[in-house]
Formats: sequence, C-alpha cells, structure tokens
Amino acid sequence: EAGVAQSPRYKIIEKRQSVAFWCNPISGHATLYWYQQILGQGPKLLIQFQNNGVVDDSQLPKDRFSAERLKGVDSTLKIQPAKLEDSAVYLCASSPRRRSANEKLFFGSGTQLSVL
Amino acid sequence: GQQLNQSPQSMFIQEGEDVSMNCTSSSIFNTWLWYKQDPGEGPVLLIALYKAGELTSNGRLTAQFGITRKDSFLNISASIPSDVGIYFCAGESNFGNEKLTFGTGTRLTIIP
Repeated sequence: EAGVAQSPRYKIIEKRQSVAFWCNPISGHATLYWYQQILGQGPKLLIQFQNNGVVDDSQLPKDRFSAERLKGVDSTLKIQPAKLEDSAVYLCASSPRRRSANEKLFFGSGTQLSVL
Repeated sequence: GQQLNQSPQSMFIQEGEDVSMNCTSSSIFNTWLWYKQDPGEGPVLLIALYKAGELTSNGRLTAQFGITRKDSFLNISASIPSDVGIYFCAGESNFGNEKLTFGTGTRLTIIP
C-alpha cells in the first residue's frame, strides 16, 4: 500500500514570496490533515479535512495560509506571503474515516520550508 | 496552541541500556499515543493507550497511561541502534474530536 505522498521535499524561498505544497493521501482515506512542525517542537495541526470539507481550521493563520481539497482526494497548502517564522516542516497525514481513538494516523515525509 | 511537556528533552545512552521518558499535561486526556520520528520522515505510531492505568507493550516498548490521565510514560528495554530518533507523545481530549496535541519530543541518541 502506497503511503502519503508529499511534494516538494524541500523548498527555499525569500520572505514575502508565495509557496505551495501538495499532498496525496493514502487511497480511500477520507480524512486529511496538514500539520506544521517547527524545529525542536512537535507537530501542530493547521487544518483538517473530511472528504472535501473543512472540519477544523482554528489554528490556521488565515491571513496568509490557505488550503483546499477540491475533489476530496489530494490537497494543497499555500502560504502567501511567507514570513521568516513560517520556516518549518509541513506534514500531511491521512486516516481512513473521521478518526476515532482507534484509528491510525498516517504521516507523509513532509516538506521542509526555509524562508530567508 | 498547547503542547505537552516531555522529559527528558534528550538522552544519550549506550546500546543495550533501558530508556524511560515521560509526558505531562495540565489537561486530562482520554487517549495517549506515542510516536517515533526518524530524520526526514513523518511520525510513526508506536503505541496507543485508551484507559487510565493501562499498560501496553509493543515488542521492547512499554507505555503506560497515567492514573491521573494527565501523564504517560514510555520505556524501551535493551536499546538498539535503530531506536535512535525523536519520540513524541500525543494526547486526545475527546473521543471523536480527533485533535491531537503533541509533546515537545525526546531525542534519543545511542553512543557507540
């Protein structure tokens, strides 16, 4: 079974530029998550999708971050404009259904963003 | 957002030694999870705990759900080189809420 695919693996941009990340979850997984992991910290949830609808985006900085999952499969996360403090690894994760305590969360390898 | 406090922040041990780490929170959680993250990869689930006081093993790993529901512990016995990585605890406060709060991580290094 293929895992969660993310691209690109690395991205270096200057502040105020725009950047987009792509995620393809495990086939058939209804729930998709974007996490931000700053160096030395644990992952922090940015947004959760159930199929193509947003379940939770309470921690997404909506003035600069946006995400979509138009067909309920793959997803893109965009930052516009980027700030220095956005430097982090952006992890995508998926789970089969609306996750309960018994469901496993599968993470991708992440996109490492450096904002200069 | 809230993050759970993990201790120690880093550990340097010799191969074959046992390892203990813990995770504490000011809030009660209904589920505790332990993940391992290798460099350049996403976290991978090691153990899930669903009941206060529960003790669960996965090979050389043993984790416990604290009786107060505000802490959890992970032990690794007879460490081997592939145990190197960062270990994260994660707590979930409500069944069906699905929002995990991750800890700050414990970095494990094995000294040759």
